[in-house]
Amino acid sequence: DQQVKQNSPSLSVQEGRISILNCDYTNSMFDYFLWYKKYPAEGPTFLISISSIKDKNEDGRFTVFLNKSAKHLSLHIVPSQPGDSAVYFCAAKRNYGGSQGNLIFGKGTKLSVKP
Amino acid sequence: EPEVTQTPSHQVTQMGQEVILRCVPISNHLYFYWYRQILGQKVEFLVSFYNNEISEKSEIFDDQFSVERPDGSNFTLKIRSTKLEDSAMYFCASSRTVTNSPLHFGNGTRLTVT
Repeated sequence: DQQVKQNSPSLSVQEGRISILNCDYTNSMFDYFLWYKKYPAEGPTFLISISSIKDKNEDGRFTVFLNKSAKHLSLHIVPSQPGDSAVYFCAAKRNYGGSQGNLIFGKGTKLSVKP
Repeated sequence: EPEVTQTPSHQVTQMGQEVILRCVPISNHLYFYWYRQILGQKVEFLVSFYNNEISEKSEIFDDQFSVERPDGSNFTLKIRSTKLEDSAMYFCASSRTVTNSPLHFGNGTRLTVT
């Protein structure tokens, strides 16, 4: 049961351009969403999050957009840099009502930023 | 910046042996977690721990698994009798609260069961 889906296994972008990573979810009880970046042989590194009461959150070059009606979120990286090349995971959880500790991850999208 | 640290980075063990994976969560965090990632699969939740007891566990976390916070800084995952299918990356994580608070992960322990 894929509650969190990242349908693009990979994405290639030119340095300086925008990277857009997409994520869909099926569980309408999710109310907190996160993006993580992961390099090989390291753990997931927290990037940015958004609560379901918002539709946008921005932190430097990273912006997360949430469309609750479509059950869709996206991560925008502007401008993209070669150091952004990594696997990006979308994750979601419920803040209330049980399963609060259970962060559900997508399969990840491998981003390659070419100089 | 404070970080979650895990030891060892790699553990090789024989089937049927006990292993203990160790973690030091971020010091002012109150919630602790173990996740795992089998090669080629998603990161999966195992267990969450708060106030010295398990607050939630997944179906994966059966009687072979246990967690403990033996002192004020360490958080451990014990697998009593390892199986081949326990081979995976095990990630420890911590968070300040349980609502609207990101989980911060360690770099993981790669467990290989032979």
